[in-house]
Amino acid sequence: AQSVTQPDIHITVSEGASLELRCNYSYGATPYLFWYVQSPGQGLQLLLKYFSGDTLVQGIKGFEAEFKRSQSSFNLRKPSVHWSDAAEYFCAVGSNFGNEKLTFGTGTRLTIIP
Amino acid sequence: DVKVTQSSRYLVKRTGEKVFLECVQDMDHENMFWYRQDPGLGLRLIYFSYDVKMKEKGDIPEGYSVSREKKERFSLILESASTNQTSMYLCASSSQSRFPGWYEQYFGPGTRLTVT
Repeated sequence: AQSVTQPDIHITVSEGASLELRCNYSYGATPYLFWYVQSPGQGLQLLLKYFSGDTLVQGIKGFEAEFKRSQSSFNLRKPSVHWSDAAEYFCAVGSNFGNEKLTFGTGTRLTIIP
Repeated sequence: DVKVTQSSRYLVKRTGEKVFLECVQDMDHENMFWYRQDPGLGLRLIYFSYDVKMKEKGDIPEGYSVSREKKERFSLILESASTNQTSMYLCASSSQSRFPGWYEQYFGPGTRLTVT
């Protein structure tokens, strides 16, 4: 069965600093990988996705993520965070056998300090 | 823009009550999903539906049922609410029309349910 691990429950960074959120997955084949963001009091919004091809994917709001098969990772990065990036971030994996479900990680809460 | 709406943002119910959570999407999506979100546990899939009147159990279906009589509406039912069902409930939808659309789920704002 597929699974996702987000090892950091809570991360605090200063505004303007760089950010990396970690995501490790477990899946037998090439996974479909996603990052979603949940702002306070809101539903989840898709930030970016990886299916195949270029291992560095660009998303909305200046985020990018890199798929590393050898490390089973799909870490999310941003070069300079803004106060509005404070939110909870979820990594997810989808199977590629026609099963349309996603498996989500437990989330990482991001706090931005001035 | 895809819009997924949920009938209530906050709901307080008593133990033993029958509870209905409603979700409506306006993008003609075939797939609809119900998740519950708990701190430290992330999102867990309760049920999903890929067509009208079709449903499949997710990872934690116990204590819940669903109904999908129309394509745009997917209801989650707690037959007899219990305190351990206090949680945030999120509805989502996605399209089957073109790969990888079915993985791009659009979420509603959530319903925070408290069972006392």
